[in-house]
Amino acid sequence: SQQGEEDPQALSIQEGENATMNCSYKTSINNLQWYRQNSGRGLVHLILIRSNEREKHSGRLRVTLDTSKKSSSLLITASRAADTASYFCATDKNQGGKLIFGQGTELSVKP
Amino acid sequence: GAVVSQHPSRVICKSGTSVKIECRSLDFQATTMFWYRQFPKKSLMLMATSNEGSKATYEQGVEKDKFLINHASLTLSTLTVTSAHPEDSSFYICSARVRAQGEQFFGPGTRLTVL
Repeated sequence: SQQGEEDPQALSIQEGENATMNCSYKTSINNLQWYRQNSGRGLVHLILIRSNEREKHSGRLRVTLDTSKKSSSLLITASRAADTASYFCATDKNQGGKLIFGQGTELSVKP
Repeated sequence: GAVVSQHPSRVICKSGTSVKIECRSLDFQATTMFWYRQFPKKSLMLMATSNEGSKATYEQGVEKDKFLINHASLTLSTLTVTSAHPEDSSFYICSARVRAQGEQFFGPGTRLTVL
């Protein structure tokens, strides 16, 4: 069963605005990862945050992890039309590398 | 970054036929490969974990006789959908991992349509 729940399911913003997506999970994890998927394509790994980390940055991406609330957020700052895609969180419970994906957030950035 | 390829990218077949999908790690050796299935506008569902030289481990509810997985080398895993039916139509994605707790690299996916 899918562990991750993401909200919002869909998000539409204007170019230049920030986009925030949230992910919640139910059991303890080893790490949490965020992926991006363009329509009909494979997944691109964005960032991994370990269970003992609280915040991580990569370019315009900022990820937070709150293990007490079992939640994570992905912030994309100064969004661009090219950021339009689906974003998924995935949790790794240290079970041989298995990833459990959330339902995803469909982000639309309008120019 | 590491590259994973899938072949074919798109396949259309008749009901009752078998289809083989290949997943290759192009510039690294993958000790573990994973196969996922994705329905339109839905999330990825893990089907099975494939370790080189051993039998695949299937997730609950996935028919091992229906979805045959072979991981014959450190750079190739194959998924064969046997006696395909229209309900098997989906987007199949593989991923490969170099080592324990390593990052997973995803292939571009294979769109299967069963008529």
